[in-house]
Amino acid sequence: DIVMTQSPLPLPVTPGEPASISCRSSQSLLHSNGYNYLNWYVQKPGQSPQLLIYLGSNRASGVPDRFSGSGSGTDFTLRISRVEAEDVAIYHCMQTLQTPFTFGQGTKLEIK
Amino acid sequence: QVQLQESGPGLVKPSGTLSLTCAVSGDSISTSNWWTWVRQPPEKGLEWIGEIFHSGNTNYNPSLKSRVTISVDNSKNQFSLRLNSVTAADTAVYYCARKPYGANKIDYWGQGTLVTVSS
Repeated sequence: DIVMTQSPLPLPVTPGEPASISCRSSQSLLHSNGYNYLNWYVQKPGQSPQLLIYLGSNRASGVPDRFSGSGSGTDFTLRISRVEAEDVAIYHCMQTLQTPFTFGQGTKLEIK
Repeated sequence: QVQLQESGPGLVKPSGTLSLTCAVSGDSISTSNWWTWVRQPPEKGLEWIGEIFHSGNTNYNPSLKSRVTISVDNSKNQFSLRLNSVTAADTAVYYCARKPYGANKIDYWGQGTLVTVSS
């Protein structure tokens, strides 16, 4: 199985400040077609996960441009340019290169 | 607007069978999607359980494969999860979800249903 490792796990952030979350995979997620099979999901309190970023760097429909994804191979980063109070949530990375699909442990973003 | 809704017992006895159904609306289950189950134990991360195509092709997580069956009912536009020989470790919120064929992303999730394994 591909192991996904996120850091940090708790992420305290001051509103208006930037934030970044790292996701590392135990194997390269770069497919021969040139796409990285890495997705980011946001899970707000009491809700189901929602797609945030797909194929490493593509924002899902309706996602504010404050959110961006980058990286390739085994190292990926989710960035929030200016954190807002509504961004309090758990952020998960997920690989879909091979089954079993696997998730990171989840990073809990908290407001300082 | 695609919607998925899980249903089933919220309490299952140890060694029993967990059975959940996911009703799909806003899309036909016979379209090119992998219909997926994911679970989340309390205060823990997400775990992919498995997926099924409308043709009946399945992929399962090897860690659960001996106990899991995912099936599809095209006439009712729904799919189901069965997990046998459950223990307390199977207590979790269970989500059904849609992963479009070839898209390699889960794009729609159900609201989730909590299943507790306890006597």
